[in-house]
Amino acid sequence: NAGVTQTPKFQVLKTGQSMTLQCAQDMNHNSMYWYRQDPGMGLRLIYYSASEGTTDKGEVPNGYNVSRLNKREFSLRLESAAPSQTSVYFCASSIQGFKSNQPQHFGDGTRLSIL
Amino acid sequence: DAKTTQPNSMESNEEEPVHLPCNHSTISGTDYIHWYRQLPSQGPEYVIHGLTSNVNNRMASLAIAEDRKSSTLILHRATLRDAAVYYCILLSSNTGKLIFGQGTTLQVKP
Repeated sequence: NAGVTQTPKFQVLKTGQSMTLQCAQDMNHNSMYWYRQDPGMGLRLIYYSASEGTTDKGEVPNGYNVSRLNKREFSLRLESAAPSQTSVYFCASSIQGFKSNQPQHFGDGTRLSIL
Repeated sequence: DAKTTQPNSMESNEEEPVHLPCNHSTISGTDYIHWYRQLPSQGPEYVIHGLTSNVNNRMASLAIAEDRKSSTLILHRATLRDAAVYYCILLSSNTGKLIFGQGTTLQVKP
């Protein structure tokens, strides 16, 4: 019972490089989310997908793009990485988007360092 | 979005109950109160949620004040594995977005 799986777990990039963080869930959830967490801070929402085929900006979307490839997969892309994007990235999913009684299920994160 | 206020840190002894407080004086009538916790080097984990009535599940209990301006997460017998950052979050019925604050870092002493 994998839940939410994120790859890779760790990554080091140079400034200006691009990369895609992958996320997949096996719980047949409709909604998926990308968060970032910086030291000593709570999580901040980057982008979300309420349902397959839709994506919307969250609190801190600048410098990122997302793709909801299918119901299971939601990827986050950094086109030109900057040191300010050094963070831990978490993917999450929930049964139905934005229903206030539905918990979100999180992956274990991708730790990204940009030099 | 309504905000929550939690103590930065708390300590507890193993096998004793822990009461984690949360103030949310600007809560609206349709906001749900959610609690998540985050263990070191892991993603957040859902603990419990409620609207008006007290709630119990296998992990914890949630006590909600009658005026809903505060709530308390209760761990009935703390274990070393409960050491984590606990987040109290108000989930808007309009947006459904989780807004994480600083949380409370719980230390459990053996």
